[in-house]
Amino acid sequence: DAKTTQPNSMESNEEEPVHLPCNHSTISGTDYIHWYRQLPSQGPEYVIHGLTSNVNNRMASLAIAEDRKSSTLILHRATLRDAAVYYCILRDVGSNQFYFGTGTSLTVIP
Amino acid sequence: EAGVAQSPRYKIIEKRQSVAFWCNPISGHATLYWYQQILGQGPKLLIQFQNNGVVDDSQLPKDRFSAERLKGVDSTLKIQPAKLEDSAVYLCASSPWEGTNYGYTFGSGTRLTVV
Repeated sequence: DAKTTQPNSMESNEEEPVHLPCNHSTISGTDYIHWYRQLPSQGPEYVIHGLTSNVNNRMASLAIAEDRKSSTLILHRATLRDAAVYYCILRDVGSNQFYFGTGTSLTVIP
Repeated sequence: EAGVAQSPRYKIIEKRQSVAFWCNPISGHATLYWYQQILGQGPKLLIQFQNNGVVDDSQLPKDRFSAERLKGVDSTLKIQPAKLEDSAVYLCASSPWEGTNYGYTFGSGTRLTVV
């Protein structure tokens, strides 16, 4: 059911930007792109979402390719607290369900 | 606003025993989900409720798992009898209502160990 492809793991140095890629080549016109992250021993938490335009919030930025077949989550300055598994998910508005893949495990190096 | 509450936080049982998990969603959230997360994997949807009705339970192993949301508020997920492969974190999530683009809010989960 997972319709997205992400690298299994990535590393970043503290206070440097991080770009987490996601491929979703089978995205439909009404699918929203959501990003969640899961810290150790916690439930996933919402990060950001978008449809076609790039989006910014206090946590991150989301860059969506023009053809919408890929997107990138951007953490502008990684901190140790950003170490988590990041999930890129397509939101099926019709069924209101999320299908999680295995996500990208981000390690932040001090 | 209060988050999604789940209890217990941890549970250890022997195989073939029964266990129940409880979830109280964010007030006013009509849609409630139960997910199973096995170590090293992403969460897998088990069941989705809209108010007190089941929208999707196609991934729920109905021979041993059951769930209810009788008054459209809190929910209980039960496993009877438990198997070793049921060891996982059980996550509850809620969202305002169906057909919107609101995100989910997850609870911290219940970690089940079956020995």
